[in-house]
Amino acid sequence: EVQLVESGGGLVQPGRSLRLSCAASGFTFDDYAMHWVRQAPGKGLEWVSGISWNSGSIGYADSVKGRFTISRDNAKNSLYLQMNSLRAEDMALYYCAKDLDGSIVGARGFDYWGQGTLVTVSS
Amino acid sequence: QTVVTQEPSLTVSPGGTVTLTCASSTGAVTSGYYPNWFQQKPGQAPRALIYSTSNKHSWTPARFSGSLLGGKAALTLSGVQPEDEAEYYCLLYYGGAQLVFGGGTKLTVL
Repeated sequence: EVQLVESGGGLVQPGRSLRLSCAASGFTFDDYAMHWVRQAPGKGLEWVSGISWNSGSIGYADSVKGRFTISRDNAKNSLYLQMNSLRAEDMALYYCAKDLDGSIVGARGFDYWGQGTLVTVSS
Repeated sequence: QTVVTQEPSLTVSPGGTVTLTCASSTGAVTSGYYPNWFQQKPGQAPRALIYSTSNKHSWTPARFSGSLLGGKAALTLSGVQPEDEAEYYCLLYYGGAQLVFGGGTKLTVL
């Protein structure tokens, strides 16, 4: 059974940093690209970032480019999102999602999603 | 700034048929945008329904189908069930590891 479990969310002050993790199981992690998607309270889904199986291809939404960094550790079956210079508008539930492909990030889409981890940005 | 547009809300009667659409500000949506569709119910994570325009996941009910229609991606629900009431999101691929979600369609079954 595929499982994606996010962690690392919490309350953080504007301008500070936070690192999210996603622990994957039930599939061969290093065969697939992975993504982060967020959802602000009462709002729609926003794609944040994606990374290919070997970290050779990475993409970011314009809203987070230069502030967020996606990475993965295939030996640990884990996906990460380093979030720096956090803003109030970054407050959201952050989901990790599994891609259907390994190399071409997002070209085929997603299949499995985690339950999300909540990031609250407030002073 | 690429914008993906969906109908904000639609209403359908049980047993009826409804089509949701997904348009791109860059022009006609083609198969090269690999349209995906997701369903999200309140308090739940999104669930994948359709990938690469019209392909269903193993768990996708047969009443859901995806297509291209008049320059847009489309999701058609035939024989709508009460449990289909949910928010539906499309996702388009713009190349170079860039993806954009639509704003979502709130489907009411009434």
